[in-house]
Amino acid sequence: EPEVTQTPSHQVTQMGQEVILRCVPISNHLYFYWYRQILGQKVEFLVSFYNNEISEKSEIFDDQFSVERPDGSNFTLKIRSTKLEDSAMYFCASSENDSNEQFFGPGTRLTVL
Amino acid sequence: AQKITQTQPGMFVQEKEAVTLDCTYDTSDPSYGLFWYKQPSSGEMIFLIYQGSYDQQNATEGRYSLNFQKARKSANLVISASQLGDSAMYFCAMTTEGNEKLTFGTGTRLTIIP
Repeated sequence: EPEVTQTPSHQVTQMGQEVILRCVPISNHLYFYWYRQILGQKVEFLVSFYNNEISEKSEIFDDQFSVERPDGSNFTLKIRSTKLEDSAMYFCASSENDSNEQFFGPGTRLTVL
Repeated sequence: AQKITQTQPGMFVQEKEAVTLDCTYDTSDPSYGLFWYKQPSSGEMIFLIYQGSYDQQNATEGRYSLNFQKARKSANLVISASQLGDSAMYFCAMTTEGNEKLTFGTGTRLTIIP
């Protein structure tokens, strides 16, 4: 069964460093998303991406964040200068269209020291 | 803006019993979708079941069913014949027409007791 994959599973970085989180969505899906979950809290929407551009972003998704689909398969989230409060689990998700269920990847746990 | 409320932070249920996890939602959009996801201790988010606002019948997927009461704006998840492997966090979520982002509730931690 096709699935969303994410790498790395765990990333530890120093405050102020740049990180890139990688995702490979399900191949025939057209909508891509990033969510984050701070430990013990609910899942929060960051950004959605369709047709090679951002379709919606939350207030969390400030200038430090960017997304890219550099080729036909990868979907990346970059955090330019990490802060302690960026420590969270980051989930990538994809869906066939904007009303179908979103399938989540296993997540990347980001720890900022 | 849409909102999901899950009022049960934790539940303990005996194995093989049925369990109902509560979810209420709020939106002014007449077209929306309701979702339930399971998050085991390993952390991944597993899609369980979907209910569209115009669906006439309650959604079912194996042991999972969604008790959709539109007038009450509730979308409770029912798990029949609970198993030890059902122990996890359960999140209710929704999307609305033209707004594909998922809005999640705070979750319910379900523990199945042998």
